[in-house]
Amino acid sequence: DAKTTQPNSMESNEEEPVHLPCNHSTISGTDYIHWYRQLPSQGPEYVIHGLTSNVNNRMASLAIAEDRKSSTLILHRATLRDAAVYYCILRDLSLGAGNMLTFGGGTRLMVKP
Amino acid sequence: EPEVTQTPSHQVTQMGQEVILRCVPISNHLYFYWYRQILGQKVEFLVSFYNNEISEKSEIFDDQFSVERPDGSNFTLKIRSTKLEDSAMYFCASSEAAGTGNQPQHFGDGTRLSIL
Repeated sequence: DAKTTQPNSMESNEEEPVHLPCNHSTISGTDYIHWYRQLPSQGPEYVIHGLTSNVNNRMASLAIAEDRKSSTLILHRATLRDAAVYYCILRDLSLGAGNMLTFGGGTRLMVKP
Repeated sequence: EPEVTQTPSHQVTQMGQEVILRCVPISNHLYFYWYRQILGQKVEFLVSFYNNEISEKSEIFDDQFSVERPDGSNFTLKIRSTKLEDSAMYFCASSEAAGTGNQPQHFGDGTRLSIL
C-alpha cells in the first residue's frame, strides 16, 4: 500500500467539528482511501472510505482533494467517545494486490470537555 | 449489529508453551484475518485466510504460527512454541465475500497474550 502521512496528534473541544488531515502524494489510480479508528483498549473500527468523490456516512465525512493527493476526515461534532487513534490507509484494488491493511502511526485525537 | 468475538480476552502462558487464540467472525463473511499490536507499536498484519487456505501472510507469520477454521464458525490462531516477543494484542478481523480492497474489515476487541 502507498504511504500516508498524518499528524501525530490533534486536540479538539467537545461538540466542535474536527478535521483530520492525511497526505498521500504517491497515491495511484487504483487506490481507495480508507479510514479506521482505534478507541482505547479496542480493536480498529472501520469509519469510511472513498475513491474520488466526497463521502458521508453516519460516523463521518470524507473530503478528497481533486488531485487525490490528500484527504480529510471530518467529524461534525466531536464527542468524548471520539477520542481515538485515527488511521488513514490506502488500499489498492488491482487484481492480486491483496487484502491486508497496512497501519501507520495514525493521529491520536484528544477531545476536551 | 453483528460483531467479531474473540476469546479469551487475556491469555497468560509460559514461554515455550503452545497457545490457541479463538475468534468467531461475522457469520456471512468469507475472508478472515489476524493482526497483532505489540504494546505502544503499530497494528501489524499477520495472515489472511479464504476458502480454507492462507491467501497472504507477512514475514512475522513464520512456521511457529498456524491458522485453522475447524468447524465453519471458529477461526483460530495457534502459536506452537511461544516466545517472550509474542506478547501482544492479537486482533481477528473478517470481511465479506469478493475480497477486494474495497471491503471494510471488521475487527474484534482482541486477545491480550502475555508470555512469562
